[in-house]
Amino acid sequence: DAGVIQSPRHEVTEMGQEVTLRCKPISGHDYLFWYRQTMMRGLELLIYFNNNVPIDDSGMPEDRFSAKMPNASFSTLKIQPSEPRDSAVYFCASSWSAGPNQPQHFGDGTRLSIL
Amino acid sequence: AQTVTQSQPEMSVQEAETVTLSCTYDTSESDYYLFWYKQPPSRQMILVIRQEAYKQQNATENRFSVNFQKAAKSFSLKISDSQLGDAAMYFCAYRSEGGANSKLTFGKGITLSVRP
Repeated sequence: DAGVIQSPRHEVTEMGQEVTLRCKPISGHDYLFWYRQTMMRGLELLIYFNNNVPIDDSGMPEDRFSAKMPNASFSTLKIQPSEPRDSAVYFCASSWSAGPNQPQHFGDGTRLSIL
Repeated sequence: AQTVTQSQPEMSVQEAETVTLSCTYDTSESDYYLFWYKQPPSRQMILVIRQEAYKQQNATENRFSVNFQKAAKSFSLKISDSQLGDAAMYFCAYRSEGGANSKLTFGKGITLSVRP
């Protein structure tokens, strides 16, 4: 079975540019999570969706960040305009139910560098 | 809000020996779940083991086991017969029992190196 697929694997762009990160969850999973990992703050939950609907976006740092899930098999995290402090590894994860004992399956992450 | 603390940033173990990674957490809830995730250099987050707070028995998965002390809010991971492939960053995580609240709260992680 294919796992969670994220693209691109690496992204290097200049400050001020728009960045779009993509995620394809595991088929059948109805929860999707976006995380950001930095050395300083560790892993932080940015937003999560249930059945394509955003449930909690309290972790989204500011209005420059937005996330969408137009269908069950695709989600995007967009940063516009990007800033150097947005440099981090961004992970997408999915799980198939709300049950807290259900593990979240993570993608390989996107390493984002903003120059 | 729940917090997860991993106070040791790094640890090292000799191949074939045993190592214990510490984790403490803070919560006012009585029902919850705890996890250990492994992140190798490939960056992928891999679930290692999980523990339900209502279970007194410590979870075990092959060479990996936990020491869950609910009263002390401690959840350590023991790796037996360490292998070179165990070298990675390890994250402790907490998840509430409550229905729609599916958020995982992670610790800062610990980097484990394995000496051949």
